[in-house]
Amino acid sequence: DAGVIQSPRHEVTEMGQEVTLRCKPISGHDYLFWYRQTMMRGLELLIYFNNNVPIDDSGMPEDRFSAKMPNASFSTLKIQPSEPRDSAVYFCASRKSGQGGTGELFFGEGSRLTVL
Amino acid sequence: QKEVEQDPGPLSVPEGAIVSLNCTYSNSAFQYFMWYRQYSRKGPELLMYTYSSGNKEDGRFTAQVDKSSKYISLFIRDSQPSDSATYLCAMSAGYNTDKLIFGTGTRLQVFP
Repeated sequence: DAGVIQSPRHEVTEMGQEVTLRCKPISGHDYLFWYRQTMMRGLELLIYFNNNVPIDDSGMPEDRFSAKMPNASFSTLKIQPSEPRDSAVYFCASRKSGQGGTGELFFGEGSRLTVL
Repeated sequence: QKEVEQDPGPLSVPEGAIVSLNCTYSNSAFQYFMWYRQYSRKGPELLMYTYSSGNKEDGRFTAQVDKSSKYISLFIRDSQPSDSATYLCAMSAGYNTDKLIFGTGTRLQVFP
């Protein structure tokens, strides 16, 4: 069974450019999470969806960040315009309903973003 | 103050050593405690989880929770070079709680 698939794996862009990160969750998983990881702040939850509906976006740092989930097998995280402080590894993770307490999140391999 | 605190390390130990990794937290509502392992350039993977206080053992790994002290630990016995990774603690307040709060991770290096 394929895991969570993220693209691109690496992105280098210049300040002010638009960045779009993509995620395909595991089939049958109805929760999807976007996390950002930096050395200083660790893993931070940005937003999560349940059945394609955004449930909590309180972790989205600014209006420059937006996320969508048009269907059960695809989600995007967009940064427009990008800034150097957005440089981080962005992870997508998914899980099934009823697994909240056990914490069995399945993570993708991440998208490493560098904004120059 | 962060909800979950974790020493970033790095922690460097010889093969065969017993490793102790720890997290402290401030939210007394946390009831589910997890340890994730993250290899370099990979996403985190669930290693162990425990509910409330007590110990849980899985092979060379033991997870320990002390809710009275708001302190959790992961012990690795007979550590191997393949255990070299970053270990992140994570916790949530309830079974149907969607949010996991992660520590920043401790980087462990086991040398032969």
